[in-house]
Amino acid sequence: AQRVTQPEKLLSVFKGAPVELKCNYSYSGSPELFWYVQYSRQRLQLLLRHISRESIKGFTADLNKGETSFHLKKPFAQEEDSAMYYCALRGVVDNAGNNRKLIWGLGTSLAVNP
Amino acid sequence: DVKVTQSSRYLVKRTGEKVFLECVQDMDHENMFWYRQDPGLGLRLIYFSYDVKMKEKGDIPEGYSVSREKKERFSLILESASTNQTSMYLCASRESYNSPLHFGNGTRLTVT
Repeated sequence: AQRVTQPEKLLSVFKGAPVELKCNYSYSGSPELFWYVQYSRQRLQLLLRHISRESIKGFTADLNKGETSFHLKKPFAQEEDSAMYYCALRGVVDNAGNNRKLIWGLGTSLAVNP
Repeated sequence: DVKVTQSSRYLVKRTGEKVFLECVQDMDHENMFWYRQDPGLGLRLIYFSYDVKMKEKGDIPEGYSVSREKKERFSLILESASTNQTSMYLCASRESYNSPLHFGNGTRLTVT
C-alpha cells in the first residue's frame, strides 16, 4: 500500500538549532516526493520537491530510496520557520498511466522557540 | 502568480442545510481538488476534477458532491450538512498531473 508517515505530530526546537522533520514512505515504484508548508493564517504552499534538488528558505530534503525516506532538514532553525509541514508522495497511477493523486502524511507542527 | 480563491473564509451553517463552497482559479488549470483538513488527520481528498464536467471521488466523498461547469470554477456541495462536516476545506488546482498544487486560503465551516 502507498503510504506516507510523519512520525512526529509536534517538533519543538530552539532558534539556531538544527531541525529535521522526518518523512518515510511506502511505495513499490519510483515516487515523487514533496514538502508542503502552511504558515499561520497562510495558505498551504509547496516548499520543495525532490526532483528539483534545491534549497528553499535554507531547507533541503534528500530522497533516500534505501531507507524510503525524504527527511526535511535545516541546519539553523529560525522563528519564522514555525509552521505545519506536510510530506506528500505522488505515485498513484491511473488507467491512463498518469500519476494523479497525492498521498499525504498527517503533518508535523514545527515550533521554533526564541 | 497563480491565484486560487475560495469565496468564504468562515461559514456557519445549521444541520440539514445545503451548503455550497466555491473555488475559482485564474490560471486555466486543468485539475482541481477539494480537501478537508482536520487536526491529527492531515489532508483528506474529497473530490477532484481533471477537466470541465469531469469529476472523480476521492477518499472521503460521502455526504459531498461537486460541480465543474466552467474550467475555472469548482464547487463543493454538502447536500445536507452534518456536524461531522465541521472542518477546514481547502481547494487546490494544478496545471497538469506533473505540476505542484496551488491552494486557496481555505474555508472554515462550522455546522451547528
